[in-house]
Amino acid sequence: AAGVIQSPRHLIKEKRETATLKCYPIPRHDTVYWYQQGPGQDPQFLISFYEKMQSDKGSIPDRFSAQQFSDYHSELNMSSLELGDSALYFCASRGRGGPPYEQYFGPGTRLTVT
Amino acid sequence: AQSVSQHNHHVILSEAASLELGCNYSYGGTVNLFWYVQYPGQHLQLLLKYFSGDPLVKGIKGFEAEFIKSKFSFNLRKPSVQWSDTAEYFCAAYGGSQGNLIFGKGTKLSVKP
Repeated sequence: AAGVIQSPRHLIKEKRETATLKCYPIPRHDTVYWYQQGPGQDPQFLISFYEKMQSDKGSIPDRFSAQQFSDYHSELNMSSLELGDSALYFCASRGRGGPPYEQYFGPGTRLTVT
Repeated sequence: AQSVSQHNHHVILSEAASLELGCNYSYGGTVNLFWYVQYPGQHLQLLLKYFSGDPLVKGIKGFEAEFIKSKFSFNLRKPSVQWSDTAEYFCAAYGGSQGNLIFGKGTKLSVKP
């Protein structure tokens, strides 16, 4: 079965650079969630989108922005990167009309900021 | 708001030992609880979930969890662990209005062969 796809899987950037992470949800899923998991930390909710509109916001820094496109894929844009942004960024998707708790996680993008 | 706490940071067991990982949640309305497993270097995988009904929930790989409403607990159990169960385990609860998950801090399980 198709799963959530994230690209790139690994990304190395320098401080103050920008990064764009992409998430492709499972086909026919219309809701996307972004989570950040720092080293040795639990995943923290950043932001979510439903039908291309931002639906909820968590602990996302102002330097980050995200959007969902007409094909339901989502991009997380990160600017002025800091060392503390080094983390694993997960995307999860939820099916159309499905209960809010049925989320399927992607493999994550490991971002390293040097 | 929902919050989730996991009591054990690191648990070390020998193979065939029984496992119980604690999880407590704060009440915030509808209770939807999950256990996820994260193998080293891999993504989160759903082990089991509780929405309503039978408080004893069975998941994949021989795991089960019991929802005890009076104790606000959702502990994960497995009668006999294997070396391959070495991973980090996260308890989670449904948080926001659009279904984002709130995770506990995680429990690292190391199983000695």
